[in-house]
Amino acid sequence: EIVLTQSPATLSLSLGDRATLSCRASQTVGNYLAWYQQRPGQAPILLIYDASERATGIPARFSGSGSGADFTLTISSLEPEDFALYYCQQRADWPRTFGQGTKVEVK
Amino acid sequence: EHLVDFGGDVVQPGESLTLSCAASGFLFRTYGMHWVRQAPGKGLEWVAFISYYGDTFYTDSVKGRFVISRDDSKDTLYLEMSRLRIEDTATYFCAKNMEIDTVDYHYMDVWGKGTTVTVSS
Repeated sequence: EIVLTQSPATLSLSLGDRATLSCRASQTVGNYLAWYQQRPGQAPILLIYDASERATGIPARFSGSGSGADFTLTISSLEPEDFALYYCQQRADWPRTFGQGTKVEVK
Repeated sequence: EHLVDFGGDVVQPGESLTLSCAASGFLFRTYGMHWVRQAPGKGLEWVAFISYYGDTFYTDSVKGRFVISRDDSKDTLYLEMSRLRIEDTATYFCAKNMEIDTVDYHYMDVWGKGTTVTVSS
């Protein structure tokens, strides 16, 4: 199975800061990678699909990049509601897998 | 587009349980559907997928124990879980498979709120 490794585990930032989250795959997934946000006690929300496409209704401050095995989610300027957990997920092979998550917390 | 997942309970190891997920606001019969789980304090784990035409896929740890199915006449997705283990304890989310222009993307674009399964002796 494809293992997705996210780094860092925790990112401590302030409002307005730029957040850069990483997801590395154990083998190439092409551009078949998505990012989700999960706030405490809530279901995940799809942010980015196919590495760089914003999902419907997602603000422009969220962007994704990368291909092959290395991917990045960038939040250009953190808003209060952005402090949450973020997961990457691949659809290149079965079983579909998620990374272990990165927590973006208030510094 | 709305999903309501339910059926979670407290059960003993070795017992069975069936989760349900009621869909509304979209043409259920034309979409693939996923189950994803999250153990307490842990990350997301993809569990199973069923295509709109009935093909099924599972993560290795549930193969032979869990069965994903659907009843398109009721707009409902199911997850039949048997031989439950303590490590199956989690919140289980049903999720709609993302589709654009009839192309399956195998990402999850609509999620239920989750239903909790606790396996404990």
